[in-house]
Formats: sequence, C-alpha cells, structure tokens
Amino acid sequence: EAAVTQSPRNKVTVTGGNVTLSCRQTNSHNYMYWYRQDTGHGLRLIHYSYGAGNLQIGDVPDGYKATRTTQEDFFLLLELASPSQTSLYFCASRERRGSNERLFFGHGTKLSVL
Amino acid sequence: QQQVRQSPQSLTVWEGETAILNCSYEDSTFDYFPWYWQFPRESPALLIAIRPVSNKKEDGRFTIFFNKREKKLSLHITDSQPGDSATYFCAASEGYNQGKLIFGQGTKLSIKP
Repeated sequence: EAAVTQSPRNKVTVTGGNVTLSCRQTNSHNYMYWYRQDTGHGLRLIHYSYGAGNLQIGDVPDGYKATRTTQEDFFLLLELASPSQTSLYFCASRERRGSNERLFFGHGTKLSVL
Repeated sequence: QQQVRQSPQSLTVWEGETAILNCSYEDSTFDYFPWYWQFPRESPALLIAIRPVSNKKEDGRFTIFFNKREKKLSLHITDSQPGDSATYFCAASEGYNQGKLIFGQGTKLSIKP
C-alpha cells in the first residue's frame, strides 16, 4: 500500500511565526495534495501538484505557499502564521489504475498558532 | 463557495437500518465522485466511487445512487453496523487528468446498537 509520511505530527507556533510542513510519498505518484480539515468545513484543498516543480492553486490558498522539490517531496509553508491557520493538515498522493483513482493520506499534522 | 454539499451534517440510525447520506454538486464538468470515510483519529480512506456513465455502484452493503440531471448522489448503507460509525465525505473531480479533488463538508454517521 502507498505510504505517505508527514512531519511533524504536532506543531505549535506563535502568530507571525514561520512553519514548514513536510510530506513524502514513496510510490512515485504524480499528484500530491495539501488539505486542511476543520469542523464544519470538511477537507479544503490548499495546493496540489502533478510533479516536481509544478504547483496548482487550490480553493483556500491565501497565506500558504507550497513547493514540490522532487517526485517524493511536497512542502507546505506558512511564512506569517495566523491563529486562523490552526487546523489539522493532511497531505495525500493519488494513485491511478485504469479508470479508478484513490488518494492515500498521511496521518496528518496538527498545527496550533497561538 | 461550496461546490460539493452534503446533508445531513450528522445522522444517527439503529443497527440493521439503512443509512442514507446525500450529496449535491454544482459543476456539470465533474465526472468522478468518490466517497471517503474517516474514523476518529484516523486519516480519510476511499470507500467507493462512481463515474457518471453509471447511475448506480454497489459494493457489498454500500451503494451509490447517481442522478446526473439533478446533480445529486446518495450513499446508502444497508444493514448498518456499529463499525460503520464514521464521518463520510463526498468528493468530486473534473476531467480524468485534471487532478483537483474537492470534498464536501462531511456527514457524521452514528450507528446505535
């Protein structure tokens, strides 16, 4: 089964702080995603990428940057963290087999901005 | 703007009953509709998915009914079990190679024994 590893698992920072969330997948999937999960909002797409050097804008990109350095690694950057960015962040990679697609999610990073 | 909407927000049914979870979408270019489920303190995982070439997809006790004209779909869980208690997300994507997958806000399902 595809493996998606996120780090750190938990992060606490202060308002205005600089945070980098890391994600690595080991199955050579092309697409990778960053979502945030908040009660009442479900999973909201921040950024996604279809390969190294590529970045696509999601539905809630404000305040976030992302970079796909390799096929395996996708980073989410919060350069001036705000309390509204307190959330559970999920990274995922997409497997495609024929007409079937499936996202494999990491375990999530719980971010608190004080 | 919520492109994928789910109702109800939460649902409780008795063990053995059929749970019905609803989903609607706005963009007629969406052509792939997966449902993911998420157990407490775990990550979402794919449950079942459908493409508009079909109006029904069945996998054991789980069935998706799809109405392209009304832009609605529903997930039916027959003979509900306590182990089905989870949050269910409807999602949608457009175009086989577009890659963007949008989720609804979820339905929290509780099955009472």
